Amino acid sequence: EAGVAQSPRYKIIEKRQSVAFWCNPISGHATLYWYQQILGQGPKLLIQFQNNGVVDDSQLPKDRFSAERLKGVDSTLKIQPAKLEDSAVYLCASSFNNRGVLTDTQYFGPGTRLTVL
Amino acid sequence: GQNIDQPTEMTATEGAIVQINCTYQTSGFNGLFWYQQHAGEAPTFLSYNVLDGLEEKGRFSSFLSRSKGYSYLLLKELQMKDSASYLCAVRLPGSGGYNKLIFGAGTRLAVHP
Repeated sequence: EAGVAQSPRYKIIEKRQSVAFWCNPISGHATLYWYQQILGQGPKLLIQFQNNGVVDDSQLPKDRFSAERLKGVDSTLKIQPAKLEDSAVYLCASSFNNRGVLTDTQYFGPGTRLTVL
Repeated sequence: GQNIDQPTEMTATEGAIVQINCTYQTSGFNGLFWYQQHAGEAPTFLSYNVLDGLEEKGRFSSFLSRSKGYSYLLLKELQMKDSASYLCAVRLPGSGGYNKLIFGAGTRLAVHP
């Protein structure tokens, strides 16, 4: 079974530029998550989708971050404009079905390492 | 607020046993996960506890006490490849029957020969 795919793996941009990340979850997984992991910290949930609907985006800085999952499969996360503090690894994860399933396990992609100069 | 505490770093010797502790204070609880993360790689699932007690899976075991807000991950017969960060994560109930994970900062384990 193929895992969660992400691209690009690395990205270097200057502050105030824009950047987009792509994620393709495990086939059949209804729930998709985007996390931000700053060096030395645990992953922080940015946004959670169930199919093509947003379930939780309470920690997404909506003035600069946006995400979509239009067809309920792959997803993109965008930052515009980027700030220095956005330098982090952006992890995408997916799970079969989060809703009401306590044993639902998240599987992570390899992440995109973003450096903002 | 939500708080999950783990030691920042630990060292151990190849072949030994190590216990990584995690304490949590959260508003709600629907289970506790342990993930392993090698440097520069994605977190990979190790174990899950929702009821009190010990869950054993090969060289790895995880324990949970909900009344104490406490869990530990036990790694036996340590190997060099076990050098990694170990993330403790609490599943919190959300609205509409959905859940979300809150992660601790992770414990960096270094295994020496």
